[in-house]
Amino acid sequence: EDKVVQSPLSLVVHEGDTVTLNCSYEVTNFRSLLWYKQEKKAPTFLFMLTSSGIEKKSGRLSSILDKKELSSILNITATQTGDSAIYLCAVDYSGNTPLVFGKGTRLSVIA
Amino acid sequence: SAVISQKPSRDICQRGTSLTIQCQVDSQVTMMFWYRQQPGQSLTLIATANQGSEATYESGFVIDKFPISRPNLTFSTLTVSNLSPEDSSIYLCSAMGGQGADTQYFGPGTRLTVL
Repeated sequence: EDKVVQSPLSLVVHEGDTVTLNCSYEVTNFRSLLWYKQEKKAPTFLFMLTSSGIEKKSGRLSSILDKKELSSILNITATQTGDSAIYLCAVDYSGNTPLVFGKGTRLSVIA
Repeated sequence: SAVISQKPSRDICQRGTSLTIQCQVDSQVTMMFWYRQQPGQSLTLIATANQGSEATYESGFVIDKFPISRPNLTFSTLTVSNLSPEDSSIYLCSAMGGQGADTQYFGPGTRLTVL
């Protein structure tokens, strides 16, 4: 059974649209949730969320954690073609073990 | 943040040969990991590289096929042995436990193609 579930698995939008990506996780030993963007090879770090209800923001990207719902969303406003990538959600379940990754959401932004 | 480099960035290998991938971190880190990402798939953890002891392998991965070294706190190697076309993947090194300790950072990846 998957411990980290992302939805949708893929998404196609037009430039300028706003998108919301979802990530849900199991509660056991939860420590933090991280979002990564993967374009060519390596994922690049976007956000780490540990506290519920506190939005993290970077430019057009923002993310928030809801510990009651065991979920997080990643929002991208005014999307650009450069936002096309796979967005990975990962959970740190104990702090001393590797992250558990979701399958990712493949976002395609078309002009 | 930790800066991680990997060598080679890509390689094309013949069936039956081996490839060793090097991973260098610019600071001492507690944990280093090796991931595989097959085409169209998410990241799959191969093993945790432990400094001074044998690596800890995930289910489905064995030391004979993926020997790992971790001679110090900044360096690790992954060898993919007896290559077959099914080993064609991106291999990623990752580290955490240094400065910015709670975040897991990734190397740029090695794209392996086996003919």
